[in-house]
Amino acid sequence: DAGVTQSPTHLIKTRGQQVTLRCSPKSGHDTVSWYQQALGQGPQFIFQYYEEEERQRGNFPDRFSGHQYPNYSSELNVNALLLGDSALYLCASSLGQGVNQPQHFGDGTRLSIL
Amino acid sequence: GESVGLHLPTLSVQEGDNSIINCAYSNSASDYFIWYKQESGKGPQFIIDIRSNMDKRQGQRVTVLLNKTVKHLSLQIAATQPGDSAVYFCAENAHGGTSYGKLTFGQGTILTVHP
Repeated sequence: DAGVTQSPTHLIKTRGQQVTLRCSPKSGHDTVSWYQQALGQGPQFIFQYYEEEERQRGNFPDRFSGHQYPNYSSELNVNALLLGDSALYLCASSLGQGVNQPQHFGDGTRLSIL
Repeated sequence: GESVGLHLPTLSVQEGDNSIINCAYSNSASDYFIWYKQESGKGPQFIIDIRSNMDKRQGQRVTVLLNKTVKHLSLQIAATQPGDSAVYFCAENAHGGTSYGKLTFGQGTILTVHP
């Protein structure tokens, strides 16, 4: 039973570029949430996708966008990259938007902006 | 605003001792809480959860206590082992309003277990 998988594991970009991160949820899960984790801090909620729509959004600018496909996999897109976007990006999956259900995390994509 | 915080950023224990990690939350609407363990280079790993209609829940070597009166959450690890060394996060969710589906994390506690 595969858990949450993310790709790539590491990525290096320069300021102003665009990036796409990918996530496959745990088998049986239909909801994907994305988090940003800066070094030494807890994860910060970016947004959640359920039924191919963005359902909840955290305090992140419109440069951060996403998509969910019919097979529940998801992408996180970040445009016009800034140095401050350097972080670990985590994907979490759950069932039914995680109502009283734990979100299960992948090992993340480490994004470095030069 | 919503926030979840931890009293102690670091905790060092001897192998075999019991560990207690504390967490304070400020959103009285929070009704679901989760403890995660994060090892270096890994994503957060689910340990145990508890709903607001419960005061205590036990798992394998772990117990979570919830005190809604003072908005406090704790994780107890029995017979701590070197493999328990990691950063521990509490997270909360309020299933209502604009917080639906969003986990709010605390800053984390670094647990170090000495053999």
